[in-house]
Amino acid sequence: EVQLVESGGGLVQPGGSLRLSCAASGLTLSGSWMHWVRQAPGKGLMWVSLLSPDGTTTAYADSVKGRFTISRDNARNTLYLQMDSLRDEDTAVYYCASFSKGWGQGTLVTVSS
Amino acid sequence: EIVLTQSPGTLSLSPGERATLSCRASQSITSNYLAWHQQKPGQAPRLLIYGASTRATGIPDRFSGSGSGTDFTLTISRLEPEDFAVYYCQQYGHSPLTFGGGTKVEIK
Repeated sequence: EVQLVESGGGLVQPGGSLRLSCAASGLTLSGSWMHWVRQAPGKGLMWVSLLSPDGTTTAYADSVKGRFTISRDNARNTLYLQMDSLRDEDTAVYYCASFSKGWGQGTLVTVSS
Repeated sequence: EIVLTQSPGTLSLSPGERATLSCRASQSITSNYLAWHQQKPGQAPRLLIYGASTRATGIPDRFSGSGSGTDFTLTISRLEPEDFAVYYCQQYGHSPLTFGGGTKVEIK
């Protein structure tokens, strides 16, 4: 059974940083396209970033490009999202996902002074 | 950017009825990289269908996906009480990946 467990969310001031983690079991991240997706309160789903199985290809939504960085630790089988220069509009539940295997339960990021 | 338009916005049906949800793309989706996700209030999304028609692990066979190019459909053959939720289509063939606005299936 595939399990994706996110952590690292919390309350941060505008301009601050957070690093989200997504620990995987039942799925080898180095063999999968992995994604971060977010959902602002009461809104729909928005794709944030992807990482290819071989780790050479990344992509970002325009709204986070230059501020967020996706990465992976193969030894820990864990996906990360480094979020810098956070803005109020980044407030959302952040999910990691494989679009052939499933979603994590999400972690809430609140950006507020 | 590929825009996905889902219709209808809300579908009011009774348990046991058939649900047909539509997703139309603004341009053809490469290799049918189209997924459907279900989301209930306060829960994470759940992957139902990927590759336009392949059911994810553990998904009941009352859920089926079809379509190609720019027009895709999710069909729920007989609605169970637990199927009332919001459904999103999503394309993952082109960056930026995009989601539709969702169809809410509610109890009539």
